[in-house]
Order: sequence, then C-alpha cells, then structure tokens
Amino acid sequence: DVVLTQTPPTLLATIGQSVSISCRSSQSLLHSNGNTYLNWLLQRTGQSPQPLIYLVSKLESGVPNRFSGSGSGTDFTLKISGVEAEDLGVYYCMQFTHYPLTFGSGTKLEIK
Amino acid sequence: EVQLVESGGVLVQPGRSMKLSCAASGFTFSSFPMAWVRQAPTKGLEWVATISTSGGSTYYRDSVKGRFTISRDNAKSTLYLQMDSLRSEDTATYYCTTGTADYWGQGVMVTVSS
Repeated sequence: DVVLTQTPPTLLATIGQSVSISCRSSQSLLHSNGNTYLNWLLQRTGQSPQPLIYLVSKLESGVPNRFSGSGSGTDFTLKISGVEAEDLGVYYCMQFTHYPLTFGSGTKLEIK
Repeated sequence: EVQLVESGGVLVQPGRSMKLSCAASGFTFSSFPMAWVRQAPTKGLEWVATISTSGGSTYYRDSVKGRFTISRDNAKSTLYLQMDSLRSEDTATYYCTTGTADYWGQGVMVTVSS
C-alpha cells in the first residue's frame, strides 16, 4: 500500500502567517495516463472533509487562492499564504493513483 | 447544488449486518465513480470501497473484502454499502463521496457493539 507521510502533525500559526504542509509518498503517484492523483482536503471540527486541491495543484471551485499545491512524483506541498481564522482544522493529503486509496495521517492547524 | 445524503447508520451487534444508502442529487450520478470513506472516532480518514460508473468494477480495502459490498442504482442516483459480519473495528462515521473526492456527504455513524 502507498503510505503518505504528512508533516508536521500540528501547526500553530498566527493570522496572516504563511505555512506549508508536506506530504511524502512511499512510491510515485504519477499514473500511467500522465496524471498525478494527489488531492488535499480540509476537515473542520464536526464537519465532513471538503476538497481544496486536486491533481496536485488545481484549486477546487470556491477555494480561496491563498491555498496552493505543488510537487511531483513522491513529494507534495500545500501552502497557505496568509492564514485566516476559518482555515483551522485538519488537513489531509490523499492519493488515488494506486489502490487501495490512502490518506495522510493529517496535519492539525491551530490558530495562535 | 450537489448533495450526498447518507442514511442507515445505527447501533448493531458484532456479527450482524447493516446497509447504508447515499442519495445523490445536483450532478449526473451515473457519470461518476463513487466511494465510501470512513473515520473511526478521533482517527483519520480511511478508504473503504470504490465502484465504477456502471457498477461493473468494484474495489475494496483488504479488511472489508468478503464482508462489505458496494453497489449503485444509477436510475435512482443512489449508492449503497452492504456490511455483513460487522466487527467492533468497523465502528466509524461513513462518508459517501465521489470517486475523485470532489463531493462528500455529511456522514452517517455506525456503531458495532454488544
């Protein structure tokens, strides 16, 4: 199974600070069709996960452009440029290049 | 507006069965692979199963193979998860989602306990 290692597990940020979350895969997420199926999700407390980024760097509709994704192969990053209070929650990376689909263990973003 | 509404969650004894449903609206259900993802209390997300658009292909995590069955009725825009031989470790909130995780339901709690 593909293991996604997220770091850090917890992130403490002030409003306006820029932060990054890393997601490293145990094997390449490049599919034979040329796509890399790596998504980022945010789960706020008591809510369902909501999609932020798909195909590594494409912003889901309605997601603020302070969120950005980058990376390739096995190393991926989610960046928030200017954290806002509504961004707190747990961030997950997930891959669906390989079965079984797998998720990272999550990064909890807390606001100072 | 896209909506995925799960139903069927309840308290069930170990070894018993339960069937979850997910009613979809606001998008062309038959054009999307669909999946179930679960989350045990205070834990992370865990993929359970995926079904192709036609229902002809299904995929499962090893721990549920032979016990869970994912299916769909495109005419009713509904996704199902039949869960047999339930175990305490199946206790979780179960989310219905599109196969590419674009849309998520609100989740339904399944508790397996005697």
